[in-house]
Amino acid sequence: AIQLTQSPSSLSASVGDRVTITCRASQGISSALAWYQQKPGKAPKLLIYDASSLESGVPSRFSGSGSGTDFTLTISSLQPEDFATYYCQQFNSYPSYTFGQGTKLEIK
Amino acid sequence: EVQLVESGGVVVQPGGSLRLSCAASGFTFDDYTMHWVRQAPGKGLEWVSLISWDGGSTYYADSVKGRFTISRDNSKNSLYLQMNSLRTEDTALYYCAKGREPYYYDSSGYLTSFDYWGQGTLVTVSS
Repeated sequence: AIQLTQSPSSLSASVGDRVTITCRASQGISSALAWYQQKPGKAPKLLIYDASSLESGVPSRFSGSGSGTDFTLTISSLQPEDFATYYCQQFNSYPSYTFGQGTKLEIK
Repeated sequence: EVQLVESGGVVVQPGGSLRLSCAASGFTFDDYTMHWVRQAPGKGLEWVSLISWDGGSTYYADSVKGRFTISRDNSKNSLYLQMNSLRTEDTALYYCAKGREPYYYDSSGYLTSFDYWGQGTLVTVSS
């Protein structure tokens, strides 16, 4: 099964900061990667699909890049509403839709 | 507006059974693969199962294979998860989720992210 490793597991940052979260796959997954944001008590929300495509309605400060085994989610200028947990997910290999372990983004 | 509303979560004893439901609206339900994803308290996300647009194909995570059964009723725009032989480690918030692309996107609709999620229904397995 494909494993996804996110780094860091947690991150403290300030409003206005540029933040990058990394997701590494244990084997190549082409561009079959998504990023989700989850706030406490809420369902995950799709931010990025196909590694770099911005989901409709998601602010343009969010961007994704990468292919193969290494991927990044970047938030160009953190806003107060961005403090949440972020997950990557691969969908290259079904029926094993692996999620990363999550990155908790906290206010510094 | 797309809506997914789960129901059926309760407290159940180990070895017991439970059926979860997910009512869908706001999209052409029978064009899309549907999924169940769970999240144990304080933990990450775990994919559980998928069902094809027509119900003809189903897949399961190894952790639930042989115990859970996914099904759908396209006439009622509803998704189900029958959970048998429940274990304490099945305790989680269960989400239904919609595949982002319709089945005709890649002739299956499997190789896509999940664009809408319900609010979840809590299953607690405890004696």
